[in-house]
Amino acid sequence: EAQVTQNPRYLITVTGKKLTVTCSQNMNHEYMSWYRQDPGLGLRQIYYSMNVEVTDKGDVPEGYKVSRKEKRNFPLILESPSPNQTSLYFCASSPRSGFANTEAFFGQGTRLTVV
Amino acid sequence: DAKTTQPNSMESNEEEPVHLPCNHSTISGTDYIHWYRQLPSQGPEYVIHGLTSNVNNRMASLAIAEDRKSSTLILHRATLRDAAVYYCILRDREYGNKLVFGAGTILRVKS
Repeated sequence: EAQVTQNPRYLITVTGKKLTVTCSQNMNHEYMSWYRQDPGLGLRQIYYSMNVEVTDKGDVPEGYKVSRKEKRNFPLILESPSPNQTSLYFCASSPRSGFANTEAFFGQGTRLTVV
Repeated sequence: DAKTTQPNSMESNEEEPVHLPCNHSTISGTDYIHWYRQLPSQGPEYVIHGLTSNVNNRMASLAIAEDRKSSTLILHRATLRDAAVYYCILRDREYGNKLVFGAGTILRVKS
C-alpha cells in the first residue's frame, strides 16, 4: 500500500531534549516536506526536499533541521525543543519535484508536546 | 502565492450533493487548482485538481469557471465520512510542489 509513515504518532518531551521525528515513504517520490499545524494558523511548511541531499527552508524553519540521505526518508530534527514547538506535525511526499500537476500524500501526523 | 477565499463552514444532509465554492480572483495562467480535505485526527488527503477544464474522479468533481476566478468542488452524495475541512489551494506550475493551506471550509454532514 502506498503510504507515508511517521513515527512516533504521539510524543511528550521536555525542553531542550533533542528529538527526531521520522518520515518514510514507499512510493519513490522525489519531493518531501514537513508541515506543522496550529490552531488559528493552519498548516505551514517547515522544510522541504526536492531530492536526495537537496533540502531548503519553508516558511517556519527556525528551531528545526532536516536531512535527506535516502530518497525514502526525511527525518525532522529538533535539536533543542521549546514549548512553542508544541504542535501537530505532518510529513508529505509527491512524485516529481517542480511539478504542480501532482498529488501530495500526507502522513498521519505526530502530535508533539514540549513541556 | 495567489490567495483563495472559502466560506468558513457549510452544512449538508447525508445523501445529498454538496457544492463547496472557492474564489481565486488573482489566479495566474500557470496556477493549478487543487482540493484537499482533512478528516478529524488525520493528515490532509488529496481530493482533485484541475487547470482549465472540469474534472471528475471517484471522489468528487471540480467545476472551474470559464475565467478561472472561481471553482466549485462537488461531492455528489455526501456521507458522514465526508465531514472534514476542505482546502482549496492554488499551486504555481513553476514552483510546483508547495501547498499553501488557508483556513478551509468546515463541512458538516447531518444524518
